[in-house]
Amino acid sequence: KAGVTQTPRYLIKTRGQQVTLSCSPISGHRSVSWYQQTPGQGLQFLFEYFSETQRNKGNFPGRFSGRQFSNSRSEMNVSTLELGDSALYLCASTQGAITDTQYFGPGTRLTVL
Amino acid sequence: AQSVTQPDIHITVSEGASLELRCNYSYGATPYLFWYVQSPGQGLQLLLKYFSGDTLVQGIKGFEAEFKRSQSSFNLRKPSVHWSDAAEYFCAVARRGNNDMRFGAGTRLTVKP
Repeated sequence: KAGVTQTPRYLIKTRGQQVTLSCSPISGHRSVSWYQQTPGQGLQFLFEYFSETQRNKGNFPGRFSGRQFSNSRSEMNVSTLELGDSALYLCASTQGAITDTQYFGPGTRLTVL
Repeated sequence: AQSVTQPDIHITVSEGASLELRCNYSYGATPYLFWYVQSPGQGLQLLLKYFSGDTLVQGIKGFEAEFKRSQSSFNLRKPSVHWSDAAEYFCAVARRGNNDMRFGAGTRLTVKP
């Protein structure tokens, strides 16, 4: 079974631009969660989507948004990029319950100049 | 609010020595508890998890962790460390019934030959 895939793996943007990151979960998984990882703040939960609905949300500004499609693939969008948005963005998928193991993708490294 | 503390930012052990990584959590009720490992440039891999029952949990790669309610701790142990165990280790908690996972700051493990 293929693992969680994230595209692109690396991205360079400038301040003020917007960016869209993609995550394809493991086949059969219906939940996708997004995390931001930075040296200063560590790993922080952004949001979780389950069956195309946002089920949980972390404490991030509205510039960070996401969506999930009917095939469970998920996208995350960040508008009006700031330097502080430079981070590794990880997504993880599960079948849906918290007791299920979360499988993480390799991440997208976003650099904002 | 739930939080996780990993007191040790960096630990160095010799190959073959035993290892214990500390994790303390703060939460009103017993949360779900997890340990993840992240190798450089990689996503996170689940080592083990605790939901209920036996407080000593066995995981992959020879790791185990013990849940101690009285100390609000979930320390990770391995009897004999291998050079390939060098990585960053994250403790995480999640509220029961909620996929909002909170991570500790991580402990970087260096293994000396």
